[in-house]
Amino acid sequence: AQSVTQPDARVTVSEGASLQLRCKYSYSGTPYLFWYVQYPRQGLQLLLKYYSGDPVVQGVNGFEAEFSKSNSSFHLRKASVHWSDSAVYFCVLSAQGGRALIFGTGTTVSVSP
Amino acid sequence: DAGVTQTPRHEVAEKGQTIILKCEPVSGHNDLFWYRQTKIQGLELLSYFRSKSLMEDGGAFKDRFKAEMLNSSFSTLKIQPTEPKDSAVYLCASSTPGLGGRGLYFGSGTRLTVL
Repeated sequence: AQSVTQPDARVTVSEGASLQLRCKYSYSGTPYLFWYVQYPRQGLQLLLKYYSGDPVVQGVNGFEAEFSKSNSSFHLRKASVHWSDSAVYFCVLSAQGGRALIFGTGTTVSVSP
Repeated sequence: DAGVTQTPRHEVAEKGQTIILKCEPVSGHNDLFWYRQTKIQGLELLSYFRSKSLMEDGGAFKDRFKAEMLNSSFSTLKIQPTEPKDSAVYLCASSTPGLGGRGLYFGSGTRLTVL
């Protein structure tokens, strides 16, 4: 069965500090992986996506993620967070063949001044 | 290009009522999804259309939830009859199928409150 696990429900970081959000997936085939962000009272927005190639993918607003097949992980990172990065971040899996997406439970990030 | 448009932004219904939520996908997108979002359950798939054909529906939602794509640029989600446990944010999303096209564009959602 396919699944996505985000082990950290909530993360608090200071402005200017680095951020890493963890994501583990379960899927026997080659996954399509995404990170989405949801700001308060808004829909989800795509941060970045990975299909193949370089395991480190760059996204918007200074975010990047690293795919690891051996660890079944797709962790999200940012070197220096800003208060505007406070939001909920979702790791998402799509199986090959065009099936609908599987969402993790999300990690709420709070950036303190 | 316009993004995904959902109306209304907020809906309040009495238990037992019928409500219809609307969604206009991004022009040219062939895939359309309806999700329900709650704090406890997270995002749950309600329906998935490709080129107006229903590809998946969330089994647990079949009895009172019905999504339709009337044409390639308009979809509705009907909940009949509503129950208080249906209170949630309903998100519509669209995308283009095929390799490289699997990023979803989400609408801002409809927040439904059932009294």
